[in-house]
Amino acid sequence: AQKITQTQPGMFVQEKEAVTLDCTYDTSDQSYGLFWYKQPSSGEMIFLIYQGSYDEQNATEGRYSLNFQKARKSANLVISASQLGDSAMYFCAMRERTSGTYKYIFGTGTRLKVLA
Amino acid sequence: DAGVIQSPRHEVTEMGQEVTLRCKPISGHDYLFWYRQTMMRGLELLIYFNNNVPIDDSGMPEDRFSAKMPNASFSTLKIQPSEPRDSAVYFCASRETGRDTEAFFGQGTRLTVV
Repeated sequence: AQKITQTQPGMFVQEKEAVTLDCTYDTSDQSYGLFWYKQPSSGEMIFLIYQGSYDEQNATEGRYSLNFQKARKSANLVISASQLGDSAMYFCAMRERTSGTYKYIFGTGTRLKVLA
Repeated sequence: DAGVIQSPRHEVTEMGQEVTLRCKPISGHDYLFWYRQTMMRGLELLIYFNNNVPIDDSGMPEDRFSAKMPNASFSTLKIQPSEPRDSAVYFCASRETGRDTEAFFGQGTRLTVV
């Protein structure tokens, strides 16, 4: 079973509009972390936002916010006021602790294209 | 801060040759990770270190792969002998201890084995 599921291989959004990228996860741990990374065409991985499993408030970082619904095991990324520079691959990831070691699992990514 | 530095950025080598990828983590970071990214398998964690000690190498695909971290500011990932299926982008990332900290990635090394 997939630990991190990103069901949208590709998304389009109009410039200045908001967009939600979906992510669901699967873990039996009580303590875990969820991350989103952006990978532009240049290839580097850019950290966007982090949500801890015990955090009651949804994480926000500028135009990025994480819609964390623990009971549903979802951690959707919301990008407000999309910009052309937001066009990239977006990866959802989870850090969990299993048998005393951390495990990092990445989703397959969503390719976002912002239209002018 | 210079960020995580990887070298080389690109490597083309012939099958059977030894390949060494290098990484300098961010100063003060006590965790270091090696990832591999391919179209087929996405982003996979190969190994990670904490305070220079390998903690989990369960993602290392075969004995041909080895990683070392001789000190807090340097790590290597070696493939010997290399095979065409090793072609991928290899990322190094580092972070510091803390429940809510994230890992910062290097620019990656694009490896092509012909």
